[in-house]
Amino acid sequence: QVQLVESGGGLVKPGGSLRLSCAASGFIFSDYYMSWIRQAPGKGLEWVSYITGSGSTKYYADSVKGRFTISRDNAKNSLYLQMNSLRAEDTAVYYCARKQRGMAVGFDSWGQGTLVTVSS
Amino acid sequence: DIQMTQSPSSLSASVGDRVAIPCRASQRISNYLSWYQQRPGKAPKLLIYAASSLQSGVPSRFSGSGSGTDFTLTISSLQPEDFATYYCQQSYSTPWTFGQGTKVEV
Repeated sequence: QVQLVESGGGLVKPGGSLRLSCAASGFIFSDYYMSWIRQAPGKGLEWVSYITGSGSTKYYADSVKGRFTISRDNAKNSLYLQMNSLRAEDTAVYYCARKQRGMAVGFDSWGQGTLVTVSS
Repeated sequence: DIQMTQSPSSLSASVGDRVAIPCRASQRISNYLSWYQQRPGKAPKLLIYAASSLQSGVPSRFSGSGSGTDFTLTISSLQPEDFATYYCQQSYSTPWTFGQGTKVEV
């Protein structure tokens, strides 16, 4: 079955960096767009970034553009999010999610999430 | 950016009720609309995609309707496990945006 497992979260000081990973299994990883989506404590969902199956195209929310970098290693079935210049407002649970193939589709598989806390 | 508006932010209902949760887009998005359910402490779960297509494994009491700017998620007969927060999300254009959520409470 499809499984997504995030790791790499933790406590980091403002201005610091962190790299999140998402290990995928149970499907042909390179066939799917993947995204990072976050949720601040007690708040709603915010899409952060996506990457195409080949990794050739990436998009970012304005709130993270220039600070976060999404990447993937299809040989390792892994998705990454490099987060630099972290701010208190980046504190959230970060989910990796698989986008269904096709048009007008949604995120059909999600990891359990990893908590990132930015605080001095 | 396309803004997704969900109002109300919460609603009260009872087991067996028919519940309708609205979502409005700030511009036309055709049928590029998905619905998710999130229970406390859990990851979101896809219920509906393409505005009205039921995701595999989701009970048939869930249905979606709408096109353009106005959409609705309907639960035909609310079950105890359906008390949760529901989010709409557009994938018409980046940034892909979510509504702020509607919490269905007892």
